[in-house]
Amino acid sequence: TQLLEQSPQFLSIQEGENLTVYCNSSSVFSSLQWYRQEPGEGPVLLVTVVTGGEVKKLKRLTFQFGDARKDSSLHITAAQPGDTGLYLCAGVANSWGKFQFGAGTQVVVTP
Amino acid sequence: GAGVSQSPRYKVTKRGQDVALRCDPISGHVSLYWYRQALGQGPEFLTYFNYEAQQDKSGLPNDRFSAERPEGSISTLTIQRTEQRDSAMYRCASSLVNQETQYFGPGTRLLVL
Repeated sequence: TQLLEQSPQFLSIQEGENLTVYCNSSSVFSSLQWYRQEPGEGPVLLVTVVTGGEVKKLKRLTFQFGDARKDSSLHITAAQPGDTGLYLCAGVANSWGKFQFGAGTQVVVTP
Repeated sequence: GAGVSQSPRYKVTKRGQDVALRCDPISGHVSLYWYRQALGQGPEFLTYFNYEAQQDKSGLPNDRFSAERPEGSISTLTIQRTEQRDSAMYRCASSLVNQETQYFGPGTRLLVL
């Protein structure tokens, strides 16, 4: 059973469209990270969110941490083919614990 | 500086053999993590260390799996009496301190015949 549920599992869109992926849990997290992984590579950190209600922007990517710190979303504006990859969320429940990863959302952006 | 390195990159072994997978973290990183990742899925936590101390091994599937980091730097994940279901990508990551940015290695692809 996944502690973190990511949705959708797969998303295929055209270049220029917007997309949102979700990361949900019944547990409260002290912090949550988003990673992107490209084929044959390891995950690379995009952002860490720690405060309920926090919103962080990274160019065309907007990350939000839910008020109750149980969920998070990643929104991409005007997607580009370079945004293609497996998007992973990872949460930690307490200050000494380890990160648990979700199953990921595979995003494909076609030209 | 150098990133996280893992060796071997690929390992093919016969069922019943023991294998040792090595992880060389970024110099100075306190925390080191081991994950197993299926294709198209998120990493599955196995175990992690702070310095040489194994903090959590709750993700190790069974007692055939063990890990050590004797000097607080290089770590070895050992799988004894390998089974076909052990075939997977094994990834190592390190971070400066626990829960900070994890830097992942290229992984070791293990195939058990």
